[in-house]
Amino acid sequence: GQQVMQIPQYQHVQEGEDFTTYCNSSTTLSNIQWYKQRPGGHPVFLIQLVKSGEVKKQKRLTFQFGEAKKNSSLHITATQTTDVGTYFCAKDYGGSQGNLIFGKGTKLSVKP
Amino acid sequence: NAGVTQTPKFRVLKTGQSMTLLCAQDMNHEYMYWYRQDPGMGLRLIHYSVGEGTTAKGEVPDGYNVSRLKKQNFLLGLESAAPSQTSVYFCASGPDRAPSTDTQYFGPGTRLTVL
Repeated sequence: GQQVMQIPQYQHVQEGEDFTTYCNSSTTLSNIQWYKQRPGGHPVFLIQLVKSGEVKKQKRLTFQFGEAKKNSSLHITATQTTDVGTYFCAKDYGGSQGNLIFGKGTKLSVKP
Repeated sequence: NAGVTQTPKFRVLKTGQSMTLLCAQDMNHEYMYWYRQDPGMGLRLIHYSVGEGTTAKGEVPDGYNVSRLKKQNFLLGLESAAPSQTSVYFCASGPDRAPSTDTQYFGPGTRLTVL
């Protein structure tokens, strides 16, 4: 019930190819956040989506929030080796504690 | 600003030993969190605090205790370490009800091995 499912778990791409990871919830989300964790590093906040159907872009990264607010996606155009890492989505646990529930992440590797 | 710092960076314990992980933040954040990260499991919340002097249990609190005596510090204690607690531990902080207004800022992590 409280989980967010991320697919795929792993993705291997050739440099220059596109990459997409998906985050799905069985319940309606108040918002969704995306984090990136480089190998050996710590999670770093990328973006937060709040509105139904929202689309935000950060250079080659495009984030979407589904119309029903039950899913989200992160798309990277023309991947580079610097995109390597694990991408996590996180949803609000609810209540007033500010807790997040993280998906298990999608690990992206990029072959030069 | 140093952001969120964690000490130590690495630690090896024997089963049954105790230790305390320290997290410090200089951003005047109200909320602080302790997570553990295991391969294929993502980040799981251990304990959290919504302000100085308050703590609460997260998803996987067993075997851990926490204290928030000062607003800037959040301590995670293992009273009797077990091999199942081998993990990477991340501390995070947030200014308020994080998902609504802002985000969580993570420390660099502590890699703990329990033999």
